[in-house]
Amino acid sequence: ETGVTQTPRHLVMGMTNKKSLKCEQHLGHNAMYWYKQSAKKPLELMFVYNFKEQTENNSVPSRFSPECPNSSHLFLHLHTLQPEDSALYLCASSHGTDTWDGYTFGSGTRLTVV
Amino acid sequence: GQNIDQPTEMTATEGAIVQINCTYQTSGFNGLFWYQQHAGEAPTFLSYNVLDGLEEKGRFSSFLSRSKGYSYLLLKELQMKDSASYLCAVVDSNYQLIWGAGTKLIIKP
Repeated sequence: ETGVTQTPRHLVMGMTNKKSLKCEQHLGHNAMYWYKQSAKKPLELMFVYNFKEQTENNSVPSRFSPECPNSSHLFLHLHTLQPEDSALYLCASSHGTDTWDGYTFGSGTRLTVV
Repeated sequence: GQNIDQPTEMTATEGAIVQINCTYQTSGFNGLFWYQQHAGEAPTFLSYNVLDGLEEKGRFSSFLSRSKGYSYLLLKELQMKDSASYLCAVVDSNYQLIWGAGTKLIIKP
């Protein structure tokens, strides 16, 4: 365990389904991130939250909707996804967005869209 | 555009030494990270270099040359558990993390 917990670990969903990914950290970090990891591609930053406020949205399609109710919890709501959205979705946290002591990552949710 | 290059896959023998290279072209530089990621697990922090030179941490060392836009991760006395992907990431002038695609390292007995 890294201190960042993601659930579920695996998710299979149809293109018409609605599901949510959950991320939780109790490291006292103020910044949380959603990344998409596809095979043989660099990590793609999706969303950044700093002190519960969204500070970055990297042109992510609206079928992905983030929610950050507090500094410890981050959600990614999914609806009407496409097969190309199948990937590993990683959550990460850090002390802040301008501190470089590294990110702590969760183990990810392996998403398959059928 | 910004770019991080690292080999897709490398193979090495248990007990040997392997060097994983990373070259980068970014708008500014505020440091370089190396992360290790075992299959199905979270990436975990290995090293952070911001000044030129070699940083040693046990069996792992990381080197940086800012003038050449180059870093390497050196793994000594390889063990089977070192089989993993190794991710290189650079902090650019806007404090954004730019990631490489990762190098899959396969260790053979």
